Amino acid sequence: DTAVSQTPKYLVTQMGNDKSIKCEQNLGHDTMYWYKQDSKKFLKIMFSYNNKELIINETVPNRFSPKSPDKAHLNLHINSLELGDSAVYFCASSQAVSGQETQYFGPGTRLLVL
Amino acid sequence: GQNIDQPTEMTATEGAIVQINCTYQTSGFNGLFWYQQHAGEAPTFLSYNVLDGLEEKGRFSSFLSRSKGYSYLLLKELQMKDSASYLCAVRGIYGQNFVFGPGTRLSVLP
Repeated sequence: DTAVSQTPKYLVTQMGNDKSIKCEQNLGHDTMYWYKQDSKKFLKIMFSYNNKELIINETVPNRFSPKSPDKAHLNLHINSLELGDSAVYFCASSQAVSGQETQYFGPGTRLLVL
Repeated sequence: GQNIDQPTEMTATEGAIVQINCTYQTSGFNGLFWYQQHAGEAPTFLSYNVLDGLEEKGRFSSFLSRSKGYSYLLLKELQMKDSASYLCAVRGIYGQNFVFGPGTRLSVLP
């Protein structure tokens, strides 16, 4: 069973389009995250949700809107896609916010904006 | 502000030992993690330090000095499959905030 799953794995789209990426975790974790990894492989946190509540919202354009219908799901909707949005987007989850409870990452969604 | 620094690339020989350093300056500290990321794959957890000292897990060890804002990951008996990027990440005091370093790409040569 996949612990953290994301769909789609690949997404190729035109500038200006709106797209969504879905994430689900079956680990029973309370906290979920979205990360962006750019072409230089820098992994940067975008959002963090704890029990469906937004905890962290880093400096991300408001074209990006996360939605958490329940604590097992955290989706990412992107409006008016731009070339610079091309990257790999990773979803992750963790149980606790202290101790050695680490994050578990999904396989990533490779987004290419043309 | 938060800043984490790692060497960009390292090369080592199969069977050797390699040490990957990480220095950090963060506004709060609640643990340091090391992840391994193979090309095209997701990061996977390797080790965790929150107190000063060395944590050993098989061929991998990680060291932390909080006063110096410094950690290293030590890989022993290198294997070809250890060729990957190694990411250092610091968790902030609020727990949910992880800041990742730029990663170190390690190439293991035969």
